[in-house]
Amino acid sequence: GESVGLHLPTLSVQEGDNSIINCAYSNSASDYFIWYKQESGKGPQFIIDIRSNMDKRQGQRVTVLLNKTVKHLSLQIAATQPGDSAVYFCAELSNTNAGKSTFGDGTTLTVKP
Amino acid sequence: GAGVSQTPSNKVTEKGKYVELRCDPISGHTALYWYRQSLGQGPEFLIYFQGTGAADDSGLPNDRFFAVRPEGSVSTLKIQRTERGDSAVYLCASLRRAKYEQYFGPGTRLTVT
Repeated sequence: GESVGLHLPTLSVQEGDNSIINCAYSNSASDYFIWYKQESGKGPQFIIDIRSNMDKRQGQRVTVLLNKTVKHLSLQIAATQPGDSAVYFCAELSNTNAGKSTFGDGTTLTVKP
Repeated sequence: GAGVSQTPSNKVTEKGKYVELRCDPISGHTALYWYRQSLGQGPEFLIYFQGTGAADDSGLPNDRFFAVRPEGSVSTLKIQRTERGDSAVYLCASLRRAKYEQYFGPGTRLTVT
């Protein structure tokens, strides 16, 4: 069967490795999902988004996968760099809530040089 | 162009005092959001404005919290009779009409002693 990634509050990877950050969301009616990166002392910064009618979307060095069956979202970062060290949050929205985001638990990514 | 700005960046106040937190959104963004973020957690929705009116204030924890946006641009979050449990980072975000990507400010760190 398909494995579902567990949400881990912390993730440590070696520079150059790929990172996978997981998120479980709660609302099956959510239309839209966003990954944010938050560095210390700053507000969340948009990384990549995906609509609920998609299962994969790629950006620059990042890929988001959406599995609606198990309500799971993942963020893959290729060739992780020290500048990627931050807390990562997933957020879900629905069209009926006009952009009001519900954030998941964050994952702290630490990249070791 | 300029991003979302929030003032003050830090605010220390005594229990029972009144505080105002200010948010300057990106020019032209019609929607404005307030979130509260406690240490180690994701942002939690408080209130959302579309133009001058509060379209959704369901996240305000109690009637000590109030927010205004009189001219559809700058917003002020007001907290009366502050309590130690109000200590958190208060984040503001704005977004363009018909878009879901929220642009966050750096936040105001409120400490109630």
